[in-house]
Amino acid sequence: GEDVEQSLFLSVREGDSSVINCTYTDSSSTYLYWYKQEPGAGLQLLTYIFSNMDMKQDQRLTVLLNKKDKHLSLRIADTQTGDSAIYFCAESKEGSYIPTFGRGTSLIVHP
Amino acid sequence: DTAVSQTPKYLVTQMGNDKSIKCEQNLGHDTMYWYKQDSKKFLKIMFSYNNKELIINETVPNRFSPKSPDKAHLNLHINSLELGDSAVYFCASSRSAGTSYGYTFGSGTRLTVV
Repeated sequence: GEDVEQSLFLSVREGDSSVINCTYTDSSSTYLYWYKQEPGAGLQLLTYIFSNMDMKQDQRLTVLLNKKDKHLSLRIADTQTGDSAIYFCAESKEGSYIPTFGRGTSLIVHP
Repeated sequence: DTAVSQTPKYLVTQMGNDKSIKCEQNLGHDTMYWYKQDSKKFLKIMFSYNNKELIINETVPNRFSPKSPDKAHLNLHINSLELGDSAVYFCASSRSAGTSYGYTFGSGTRLTVV
């Protein structure tokens, strides 16, 4: 399997909460990231969490980390049509140069 | 005042041609990268430079050659283009190699080889 896995698609209604899930295989992962890619644009860093944290909240975004299960999630509260994009999970290790990216989850927000 | 800018945004060219993609960052970052994103959105690291020195050189055909004239610029030259080179190429930068702060990406160059 891949080192970082995500489901490919998620469809939600505007105003609902979205939860995008990610699993990773390397227990030595130290930093975990969520990036957002809008159509025709590059990846934009949304938020990141260190492996010694369980949760991080930033306005409408909540990141939850279950280190035991190697599971990361991104919750977007009150999802808007502008949140439609591809969301990439990534992980890296202390002293490592390069994060490993998942293949991205396409979030579709419909009225 | 774009942080990481790439040119051109779109590039359509014939097989066998040689082309270059330019990248510049104005963030004062020390490290720059080239990534290739395939049609299934998989992102693969190609090269990384830290202060003009090559530090990452993944398994990439030697038709691809990066050049970093200074730490704010990282260009990608591709010789003898092939159909399989069609992809979106992203430049990115970070404060330093091994940083925990994540990357800043350019908006990508969509290369189509016909």
